[in-house]
This record gives sequence, C-alpha cells and structure tokens, in this order.
Amino acid sequence: EIVLTQSPGTLSLSPGERATLSCRASQSVSSSYLAWYQHKPGQAPRLLIYGASNRATGIPDRFSGSGSGADFTLIISRLEPEDFAVYYCQQFVNPTWTFGQGTKVEIK
Amino acid sequence: EVQLVESGGGLVNPGGSLRLSCAASGFSFSDAWMSWVRQSPGKGLEWVGRIKSKTGGEATDYAAPVKGRFTLSRDDSKTTLYLQMNSLKIEDTAVYYCVRTFFSDSAGQYWGQGTLVTVSS
Repeated sequence: EIVLTQSPGTLSLSPGERATLSCRASQSVSSSYLAWYQHKPGQAPRLLIYGASNRATGIPDRFSGSGSGADFTLIISRLEPEDFAVYYCQQFVNPTWTFGQGTKVEIK
Repeated sequence: EVQLVESGGGLVNPGGSLRLSCAASGFSFSDAWMSWVRQSPGKGLEWVGRIKSKTGGEATDYAAPVKGRFTLSRDDSKTTLYLQMNSLKIEDTAVYYCVRTFFSDSAGQYWGQGTLVTVSS
C-alpha cells in the first residue's frame, strides 16, 4: 500500500504570502493520478488539482500543482483570506484512493 | 448546478446497521461512477468504496476495513446513491461524503456536505 506523507503538518502564513505544500509517496505513483483538495470545517472538500498539475473547473490560477515520481507540490502563489484551510493530496491505484494526512494552512 | 445531498446518518449501537443515501442532481447520474469517502473525528480522509455506472456493470470495490460489511448500490431512476452499513464498529464513526468520481475514476470531482454517523453504546 502506498503511503502519502504531507509536510509540513501546519503552515502559518499571512495573506499575500506564498504557500508551498509537499506530498511525498512511499513509492513512485502515476502523476496522472495525483490530486489535491481543499477542505474547510463543515464544508465539502473541494477538488483543486488533478493529474498532478491540472486545475479543476473554477479554481483560481494562484493554485498550481507539480511533481512526478514520488514527490509532488501544491503552491498557492498569494494567499487570500479564503485559502486558509486543510489541504489533502490523494493518489489512485485502481480501484483505491489513498489520502495524505493533510496540511493545515493557518493565518499567522 | 451539481448537488450531492447525503442523509441517513445518526447514532447507532455497535453491531447495528444504517443506510445512507445521497441524492444527486445537476449532472447525468446514470453515467457517473460514485464513491463514498469518510472522515473520522480529528482525522484525515479515507476512501470507503466505489460503484460504477450501469454500463460498467454497477461493479463495486471496497476499502479493506469495510469489505464484507458495507454495500454500495444505486437507483438511477431516483438519481440516488446508497451505502448500506452493517456490523458497525466504533471505528466507523465518521462524516460520510458522497463523491462523483472523474478522470478515469482517479479523483473526486464533486462532493456532498456529508452526514455524520456515530457508533456508540
């Protein structure tokens, strides 16, 4: 079973700053099957990135994903107040999904 | 507008059963592959299972912790997804989310707001 490890656990930043979130897999994963989600308390998770680097419909271009092999990154170029949330990476090995433990982006 | 609305959550004793429903609208439900994902209190997200469309034979797959206890089904005429949960354990306590999958079943495109299931005596 592939394990996804996200770092850091918590990122304390101010609005306008750049956020860099890491997702490392215990073995190489297909970049076609790596996704990122944003999750706020009491809300539905929201798909941000799929296929490692493709923005989902309606996602602002300040969100970008990259990576391959076992190392993937989500960058939020300039944090807006609504971006403070928990972010999860997720990989797919047919038919199962596995999620990382999440990175909380909090206001500094 | 896509909507996924879960219902049926509540408090149940260990060993008990519960059926969750997810009413879908705003997309072609009959063509969609659908999943359930859960989040236990204070923890991360965990995939529960997936059901393919009718053209996919309505085939199902389950995560190891729920296999043999949970059953996914669908009623395309009602655009509703179901999760039958039997032999519930305390560790099944979680918010359960209904998800429409896409991109070769690799990601969750649309998610519901979730319904809370609490297994406790």
